[in-house]
Amino acid sequence: DAGVTQSPTHLIKTRGQQVTLRCSPISGHKSVSWYQQVLGQGPQFIFQYYEKEERGRGNFPDRFSARQFPNYSSELNVNALLLGDSALYLCASSLPTANYGYTFGSGTRLTVV
Amino acid sequence: TQLLEQSPQFLSIQEGENLTVYCNSSSVFSSLQWYRQEPGEGPVLLVTVVTGGEVKKLKRLTFQFGDARKDSSLHITAAQPGDTGLYLCAGGGGSGNTGKLIFGQGTTLQVKP
Repeated sequence: DAGVTQSPTHLIKTRGQQVTLRCSPISGHKSVSWYQQVLGQGPQFIFQYYEKEERGRGNFPDRFSARQFPNYSSELNVNALLLGDSALYLCASSLPTANYGYTFGSGTRLTVV
Repeated sequence: TQLLEQSPQFLSIQEGENLTVYCNSSSVFSSLQWYRQEPGEGPVLLVTVVTGGEVKKLKRLTFQFGDARKDSSLHITAAQPGDTGLYLCAGGGGSGNTGKLIFGQGTTLQVKP
């Protein structure tokens, strides 16, 4: 079975631009979460979606938005990019609650210049 | 605000030595997960513990969840160079959420041959 797939793997954007990151969960997983990992730190929770509805949102500005599609894939959008948005963006899929453990994708490395 | 404090942040040891990584919080979690992350990759789930006092063993790795479900430890026996990586603890199911994981800042382990 394919794991969690994310695209693109690397991205370079200019300040002020917008970016869309994509994620396909493991087959059968209806929950998708997004995390931001800055170099040298642990991942920070951005969003969780389950059955196409937002179940949780972390402490990120409104420039960050996401959605989940009927096939459970998901997109993360970031508007008006700042230098501080440079990070590894991780997508994880799981069964309904976090207690089952997450399967993470390899991430999208976003560099804002 | 729920926080997980990991210690130590960095550990450099010789092959064959034993080590313990600690993960502490003032918050109660319904589960505690340990992940290992290689450079440029997403975290990979090692274990999930859900019961206070629970001990799980995975070959040379021993994981323990504190009785009060606020802390956890990871002990590695006879470390090998292949154990090198970033170890992350993550708490799930804390008060007010069901899907969000709170990550510690990570422990970077280097095992020298």
